[in-house]
Amino acid sequence: AQSVTQPDIHITVSEGASLELRCNYSYGATPYLFWYVQSPGQGLQLLLKYFSGDTLVQGIKGFEAEFKRSQSSFNLRKPSVHWSDAAEYFCAVGSMDSNYQLIWGAGTKLIIKP
Amino acid sequence: EAGVAQSPRYKIIEKRQSVAFWCNPISGHATLYWYQQILGQGPKLLIQFQNNGVVDDSQLPKDRFSAERLKGVDSTLKIQPAKLEDSAVYLCASSSGREYNEQFFGPGTRLTVL
Repeated sequence: AQSVTQPDIHITVSEGASLELRCNYSYGATPYLFWYVQSPGQGLQLLLKYFSGDTLVQGIKGFEAEFKRSQSSFNLRKPSVHWSDAAEYFCAVGSMDSNYQLIWGAGTKLIIKP
Repeated sequence: EAGVAQSPRYKIIEKRQSVAFWCNPISGHATLYWYQQILGQGPKLLIQFQNNGVVDDSQLPKDRFSAERLKGVDSTLKIQPAKLEDSAVYLCASSSGREYNEQFFGPGTRLTVL
């Protein structure tokens, strides 16, 4: 069955420290991979996406993610977090074979320590 | 470019009452999605429209939920009668379908059923 796993429900990071949020997927077709961010009371905003090509993708707000096909992973990273990065982060997977519908992870809530 | 608009932003109703949500997608976007997001979970697709036709409504509880997209532009989602477990954020998203179906989200409607 197709699924997306975000193993960490919460992550706490000190401001200025590096960040890595994990995402693993199980998907039969060639996946399109996305990371979205949701701030409190806001809708979801696309951070970055991977369709093909270079497996290291750059996104907005200084985020990047690396697609590792052998590990079925698409982890999100940021070298130095800011207090404004506190939010919930969702990984999602889609493909042409599924009408481009997205399968979503349960999200990881990022807490920033001052 | 105006984003996806949703109203109302918040709604509190008693169980067994009815409620309706409205969504206006980004101009020109052919695909429209309604998601239900329960606290602590990722979004769950309820229904996907392509113009004014339904692509997928397999996860829509059709005994109480209905949705329409007249004229292939804005859309309404209705719940009648509401149950306690319908308390959630209802997200609308739209996509042009031209770029691997990147979805743009509205701010959502937070529904509380008492």
